[in-house]
Amino acid sequence: SSELTQDPAVSVALGQTVRITCQGDSLRTYYASWYQQKPGQAPVSVIYGDNNRPSGIPDRFSASSSGNTASLTITGAQAEDEADYYCNSRDSSGNHVVFGGGTKLTVL
Amino acid sequence: QLQLQESGPGLVKPSETLSLTCSVSGGSINSSIHYWGWIRQPPGKGLEWIGSIYYSGSSYYNVSLKSRVSTSVDTSKNQFSLKMTSVTAADTAVYYCARLLLYSGGLSFDYWGQGTLVTVSS
Repeated sequence: SSELTQDPAVSVALGQTVRITCQGDSLRTYYASWYQQKPGQAPVSVIYGDNNRPSGIPDRFSASSSGNTASLTITGAQAEDEADYYCNSRDSSGNHVVFGGGTKLTVL
Repeated sequence: QLQLQESGPGLVKPSETLSLTCSVSGGSINSSIHYWGWIRQPPGKGLEWIGSIYYSGSSYYNVSLKSRVSTSVDTSKNQFSLKMTSVTAADTAVYYCARLLLYSGGLSFDYWGQGTLVTVSS
């Protein structure tokens, strides 16, 4: 079982704000990174570190963290944001990589 | 722009060894701040980290796969490779290679290959 827990599915109305969460003990120490994956495509990094967006990622994507929970927020969700979202981080030992189980985002 | 490309057989027989190579272009594998990793995704399921390797050869593996997995780096070819022994149908997945940025606050896979489907079947 994954050491990072995500809700399997979340939905949001077009143009509204949605938060996707990721829980795990290692998140008390380490930041989560977030990836977007559309069907048939490789994952794409959307957030890393302390709320950093790679080049080309819209600023409607942001991240925050509190205690053992990391959150990815999409402010003003667009139809093209419909995808699976995965969090990942170091495990509690700091030496290994863990992924969350993924959240399927539906934009209504 | 960094690019990664997986290559290897798309079909492997049960109990045999899966071998994949990731070719890196647009940048050097001899990076002091990056590891290079393998991730897989069974059909319809989530992402699973397999292992990561530094250009020097230092590596880390998923505990659940460690007994069957090994990785290597060929700096002269700007490639890194994965071997997984004694495969079963449960190893059928899309296998991705990716660059791993490590920093004190965490880590991130910042560049990914397109992925290659490996099916384990007789």
